[in-house]
Amino acid sequence: EAQVTQNPRYLITVTGKKLTVTCSQNMNHEYMSWYRQDPGLGLRQIYYSMNVEVTDKGDVPEGYKVSRKEKRNFPLILESPSPNQTSLYFCASSFLSGDSYNEQFFGPGTRLTVL
Amino acid sequence: KNEVEQSPQNLTAQEGEFITINCSYSVGISALHWLQQHPGGGIVSLFMLSSGKKKHGRLIATINIQEKHSSLHITASHPRDSAVYICAVLWYNTDKLIFGTGTRLQVFP
Repeated sequence: EAQVTQNPRYLITVTGKKLTVTCSQNMNHEYMSWYRQDPGLGLRQIYYSMNVEVTDKGDVPEGYKVSRKEKRNFPLILESPSPNQTSLYFCASSFLSGDSYNEQFFGPGTRLTVL
Repeated sequence: KNEVEQSPQNLTAQEGEFITINCSYSVGISALHWLQQHPGGGIVSLFMLSSGKKKHGRLIATINIQEKHSSLHITASHPRDSAVYICAVLWYNTDKLIFGTGTRLQVFP
């Protein structure tokens, strides 16, 4: 089954304790992206990747890192989480047809609470 | 000012009604997405369009590039259409995706 998976789905942690949220897709998509969703602010893009070893900042990259060493995986790293990173996080992927984007497939979301 | 504005923010309808959700944007774009977020939180892509009109079942999406405006229509609405509908634009030349804050739709039997 074609899907985007995220782990963990729920995480409660404390300020400053490094964590990684994994994202994996089995559709051989070139494009992958991370978003956070907050009440009243909607979805905002954190980082995206056009292909292996190619990553770029979205609207709210501060406090986050990503890597794209393999096409299928795009982990989100919080080196020193803070309470303002408490949010619902989504990973998504899509095909790139030349310069054209296609519809995005979203993971189920990861609810992160930083105390 | 947000680059992507949706209206209305909340919408209530009776089953069978025709629904329209609007999205206006202020930047040059290469594509526009309509997404549906279910009450459980999952997000599904409904349409991606860069011109004209697309139809899938009871859903129709249109875009007017010159007016920087898109609409999502739902014909013969049903309670299972109750969800948050989100418009997102792909900012031309930056590859960044900018989202509207969503329209919460509730359809009652």
